[in-house]
Amino acid sequence: DAGVTQSPTHLIKTRGQQVTLRCSPKSGHDTVSWYQQALGQGPQFIFQYYEEEERQRGNFPDRFSGHQFPNYSSELNVNALLLGDSALYLCASSYGGQGDGYTFGSGTRLTVV
Amino acid sequence: DAKTTQPPSMDCAEGRAANLPCNHSTISGNEYVYWYRQIHSQGPQYIIHGLKNNETNEMASLIITEDRKSSTLILPHATLRDTAVYYCIPSGTYKYIFGTGTRLKVLA
Repeated sequence: DAGVTQSPTHLIKTRGQQVTLRCSPKSGHDTVSWYQQALGQGPQFIFQYYEEEERQRGNFPDRFSGHQFPNYSSELNVNALLLGDSALYLCASSYGGQGDGYTFGSGTRLTVV
Repeated sequence: DAKTTQPPSMDCAEGRAANLPCNHSTISGNEYVYWYRQIHSQGPQYIIHGLKNNETNEMASLIITEDRKSSTLILPHATLRDTAVYYCIPSGTYKYIFGTGTRLKVLA
């Protein structure tokens, strides 16, 4: 049973560019959340998508946007990249809500130079 | 959102029980306590959660005090593979607020 799949695993971008990260939820899950984890810190909640709508959002600027597709997969887009956006971006999926907990992917390591 | 306090680091001998405490004195009545761990370079892994009763699963036991202001995660027989950062997360909504967690090191 495949868990949460994220792509790419690593990415290097230049300041000012735009990036798209992708996530396929665990089979049977319909809810996708995105987190940003800076080095040495705990993950920070960016937003959650359910039924193709953003259901809740954390304290992140509008440069961070997302999308959920009918097959429940999701994308995270970051515009006008800053050096401070360098982090591990984690996707987590669940059924309906947090319920019995989220399943996290292994993340995408984004480096902005 | 409830704030949590966890010791920054702990050591445990292999084969012994690891008891990881968490203080969440501002927890709300509808907030569950979730525990996750994160092994280096991987995403967090769900361990266990509870509301007010003690819980046990194949990975761990969770003891929540009667006033719900603190909890303890118990790994009954720690192995080297349990070395990780452990997060205690009170949550009643869709988002988690991760603290800095406890870095558990299991020693051979």
